[in-house]
Amino acid sequence: AQTVTQSQPEMSVQEAETVTLSCTYDTSESDYYLFWYKQPPSRQMILVIRQEAYKQQNATENRFSVNFQKAAKSFSLKISDSQLGDAAMYFCAYRSGNAGKSTFGDGTTLTVKP
Amino acid sequence: DTAVSQTPKYLVTQMGNDKSIKCEQNLGHDTMYWYKQDSKKFLKIMFSYNNKELIINETVPNRFSPKSPDKAHLNLHINSLELGDSAVYFCASSPRDSLYEQYFGPGTRLTVT
Repeated sequence: AQTVTQSQPEMSVQEAETVTLSCTYDTSESDYYLFWYKQPPSRQMILVIRQEAYKQQNATENRFSVNFQKAAKSFSLKISDSQLGDAAMYFCAYRSGNAGKSTFGDGTTLTVKP
Repeated sequence: DTAVSQTPKYLVTQMGNDKSIKCEQNLGHDTMYWYKQDSKKFLKIMFSYNNKELIINETVPNRFSPKSPDKAHLNLHINSLELGDSAVYFCASSPRDSLYEQYFGPGTRLTVT
């Protein structure tokens, strides 16, 4: 079974600074996909970024980028120029290429200080 | 033009009651899911349906029964509610292809007293 570990229950960052949220996973599959979701206080789950395991290039979406290290099974999220609206709980998710089942990490609560 | 909708958004009920939560998606997706998010915010999958067929059934008490009348709807019925069932329940959908992310509904906060 796949597991996803987010070792940082809480993180804080100063507005306009950069923060990195860590995520590691364990799998024996070769075909899979990785995601970061954001859950603000409104509790709506919002996709932040996705990464295909077969792609070596790290995904980027504006201020959000990932550092995908397939051999190390690591998938960290970097948020640049942090904004107050980035404050939320962030979930790392693994999705099997076969069954489509997603496994979520336990989440990291990000606080952005003005 | 809501993508994934759930009703109700809030549900307060007493132990022992039976309740249902409804979910609908207008994205044309083939696959729908139910997740439970507990008080510690841990998110766990409960069920998944693909074109009305159950494909994922995690270790969930028999009191929970999903029903998919068509591929756009996935309802969750809970019998004999218990205090431990209090949580936020999220419905989600995705195209069958695993490449795509899941689109989540707004969640239903269930409180059992």
